[in-house]
Amino acid sequence: QKEVEQNSGPLSVPEGAIASLNCTYSDRGSQSFFWYRQYSGKSPELIMSIYSNGDKEDGRFTAQLNKASQYVSLLIRDSQPSDSATYLCAGAASGGSYIPTFGRGTSLIVHP
Amino acid sequence: ETGVTQSPTHLIKTRGQQVTLRCSSQSGHNTVSWYQQALGQGPQFIFQYYREEENGRGNFPPRFSGLQFPNYSSELNVNALELDDSALYLCASSDGTPNQPQHFGDGTRLSIL
Repeated sequence: QKEVEQNSGPLSVPEGAIASLNCTYSDRGSQSFFWYRQYSGKSPELIMSIYSNGDKEDGRFTAQLNKASQYVSLLIRDSQPSDSATYLCAGAASGGSYIPTFGRGTSLIVHP
Repeated sequence: ETGVTQSPTHLIKTRGQQVTLRCSSQSGHNTVSWYQQALGQGPQFIFQYYREEENGRGNFPPRFSGLQFPNYSSELNVNALELDDSALYLCASSDGTPNQPQHFGDGTRLSIL
């Protein structure tokens, strides 16, 4: 069974700090990975996609992928209270039905 | 560009009833997926439609059914509602290209009394 594991948290960081969110996956066939942000009562919003080993940066966000260790992470620099949300990690395998598997999400709290 | 829209936003039903949820995919997208998200959990995959055909199904009983129309909009039908069906139902669309992310609608909050 394909699984994506995340620590549910909450992860609490002070404003301005770096928040580090982690995710592991069980399906070695997974090729594409996504980070979504979900505010309470709202739908998931895509933040980052990553497909290759290494780092991918977009503004204050950096996604990191290590396929050998089956590990994906999201770093949020200069964290703001508005970043407080649940962050969902998802992975999908190439070929056949392209259906991402989601983790349960990590709750992030950025306090002033 | 029109995003993914879902209706209704909220719905209250009683056990045993039937419900239909609707989704319009983002412009240019031909693939629609439905997810159930219980409180504190990640989205659980129900099924996916690609060009009007079911393209994959998660671990949900047959009373969860769906269809996709020629304009790529979609419906999720749930029969014989149970209390555990109370959840946020999310629709996501994509352009069907491998590796492309899905984009979610605002969801339908379904409460079963």
